[in-house]
Amino acid sequence: DIQMTQSPSSVSASVGDRVTITCRASQSISTWLAWYQQRPGKAPKLLIYAVSSLQSGVPSRFSGSGSGTDFTLTISSLQPEDFATYYCQQANSFPRTFGQGTKVEIK
Amino acid sequence: QVQLQQWGAGLLKSSETLSLTCGVYGGSFSDYFWSWIRQPPGKGLEWIGEINHSGSANYNPSLKSRVTISVDTSKNQFSLKLSSVTAADTAVYYCARVKRWRNVFDFWGQGTMVTVSS
Repeated sequence: DIQMTQSPSSVSASVGDRVTITCRASQSISTWLAWYQQRPGKAPKLLIYAVSSLQSGVPSRFSGSGSGTDFTLTISSLQPEDFATYYCQQANSFPRTFGQGTKVEIK
Repeated sequence: QVQLQQWGAGLLKSSETLSLTCGVYGGSFSDYFWSWIRQPPGKGLEWIGEINHSGSANYNPSLKSRVTISVDTSKNQFSLKLSSVTAADTAVYYCARVKRWRNVFDFWGQGTMVTVSS
């Protein structure tokens, strides 16, 4: 299985801050990488797929980059509704695997 | 707009079989793969498996011996069965649509909390 490791596990930030979350794959996954946002008690929501493609309806303050094994999710200006947990997912091979999550908390 | 609505028993005893169904409303059923994903309380996401309209399925090897995913195209539904459950199977179970050509999950069900008691 491809292991996905996110860092940090949690981050405290203020509204308007720029937040960056990283995700590392245990082997190359090319550009087969997605990001999800999960609010408490809700299903995950797809934000970005193929490293940097924004899912329909997702605000442009979310962006992604990377290739191979190292990837980044950036929120350019944190909004109140962005406080949530974020997961990366590799879409390169079976079984699909997720990172352990990064919780973005209010500072 | 695509909607996934899931249902099934929420409380099981050890050794019983978990059974959940997901109905797909709106959009095409036959053009996609459909997946099950679970999340233990306070933990991350685990992919269980997927199936398409013709019954072609892929499973997580860690669960493969206990999992069956089936499809009913006449009702636009797909189902999950997980046998011989233990407390370790306690989780919120989600159904989800696999985005075409991308292998990611673009529409999700509301989730079903399944608790296994000993």
